[in-house]
Amino acid sequence: AQSVTQLDSHVSVSEGTPVLLRCNYSSSYSPSLFWYVQHPNKGLQLLLKYTSAATLVKGINGFEAEFKKSETSFHLTKPSAHMSDAAEYFCVVSGPSGGYQKVTFGTGTKLQVIP
Amino acid sequence: DTEVTQTPKHLVMGMTNKKSLKCEQHMGHRAMYWYKQKAKKPPELMFVYSYEKLSINESVPSRFSPECPNSSLLNLHLHALQPEDSALYLCASSQGRARAGGGDTEAFFGQGTRLTVV
Repeated sequence: AQSVTQLDSHVSVSEGTPVLLRCNYSSSYSPSLFWYVQHPNKGLQLLLKYTSAATLVKGINGFEAEFKKSETSFHLTKPSAHMSDAAEYFCVVSGPSGGYQKVTFGTGTKLQVIP
Repeated sequence: DTEVTQTPKHLVMGMTNKKSLKCEQHMGHRAMYWYKQKAKKPPELMFVYSYEKLSINESVPSRFSPECPNSSLLNLHLHALQPEDSALYLCASSQGRARAGGGDTEAFFGQGTRLTVV
């Protein structure tokens, strides 16, 4: 079984300040973890992924996430927010289930960036 | 090519119409998925095809009919939809059998079809 909890439904930061979006997971096997971003009226874009290699994962647009097994967390961070980062962010866990991947989405965190 | 291509991007249909959504990938993936996403919500799984066979149907109404004609194509046939079916429909693909925590567990998503039922 697997699940994902995004701890904040809404995060608001000022432009130029750090971003922290929190995600906790549970999985009965070694998980693959992802962060996706979705801008208004757009599809999903992969930001970064963890697949049991380095625990600190760097993604696109300056985002990174650290896999912490002891805390079952995969928080997304960015040192300095940009206006274009305003979007919905989904934490996702994926694992094999027979002949396909069982993909579980968190409920999403809406990031607001204040000028 | 790491793209999942969905057509059309936008679709407006009446409640008596029949239409189809199309999805295509050329990554050799053997699992393909349909998701439905309502505003301000995460995507919800509708169907999973694994090796061209329907593996999962998440209790979706019969007015939605999936079809997987070959390993690269996935269709969603729509008939007699209701206004509440208006949503973003996302297609995804992934490797079929993959090991846990492996580098091949990623699901690739298309940009979606924005469906409006009037």
